[in-house]
Amino acid sequence: KNQVEQSPQSLIILEGKNCTLQCNYTVSPFSNLRWYKQDTGRGPVSLTIMTFSENTKSNGRYTATLDADTKQSSLHITASQLSDSASYICVVTGTGNTPLVFGKGTRLSVIA
Amino acid sequence: NAGVTQTPKFRVLKTGQSMTLLCAQDMNHEYMYWYRQDPGMGLRLIHYSVGEGTTAKGEVPDGYNVSRLKKQNFLLGLESAAPSQTSVYFCASYGYGYTFGSGTRLTVV
Repeated sequence: KNQVEQSPQSLIILEGKNCTLQCNYTVSPFSNLRWYKQDTGRGPVSLTIMTFSENTKSNGRYTATLDADTKQSSLHITASQLSDSASYICVVTGTGNTPLVFGKGTRLSVIA
Repeated sequence: NAGVTQTPKFRVLKTGQSMTLLCAQDMNHEYMYWYRQDPGMGLRLIHYSVGEGTTAKGEVPDGYNVSRLKKQNFLLGLESAAPSQTSVYFCASYGYGYTFGSGTRLTVV
């Protein structure tokens, strides 16, 4: 069964610190992996998208990595800000008409 | 450029009532989707459409119907609401990437 597992479920960090969120998937065949940020009460907003040939992609303070061999991805947030408090969702797409497979998300809280 | 707009944002229904959720996109996207998001679960696909006049079932279609009479609109209907349909509903459209609406919080009592 196609699945996306994220860890940790929740995380609390101090403002200014770095953190890394993990995503493991079993979707096959694989097409691409996306990281989304979802603020409370809002829809998900895309941060990065990576295909199987890409190992890393950055978007400002967000850097995503992908290891297609081990089917793992990570999202690293540098110098966290209070506005980074949100849920971060890993989404994997298979080839063809395979629908998106969503992880349950990691709830990040950045505190002063 | 509004992107994806969902209406209403909030709604409370009594069991057995019906309602329609509207999703509108102004990006001329062919693909549109309806998801539900429940606590502790990832977004789950209810129905989707690959173009005007077409619809297809997703992962959790029971109790819902959809229509795509116009390319820019994708309607999600609940004919007889049940408490199990209490959820946050998200519409999305796909062009070069996915764009999500801000959600509709539905409570069925």
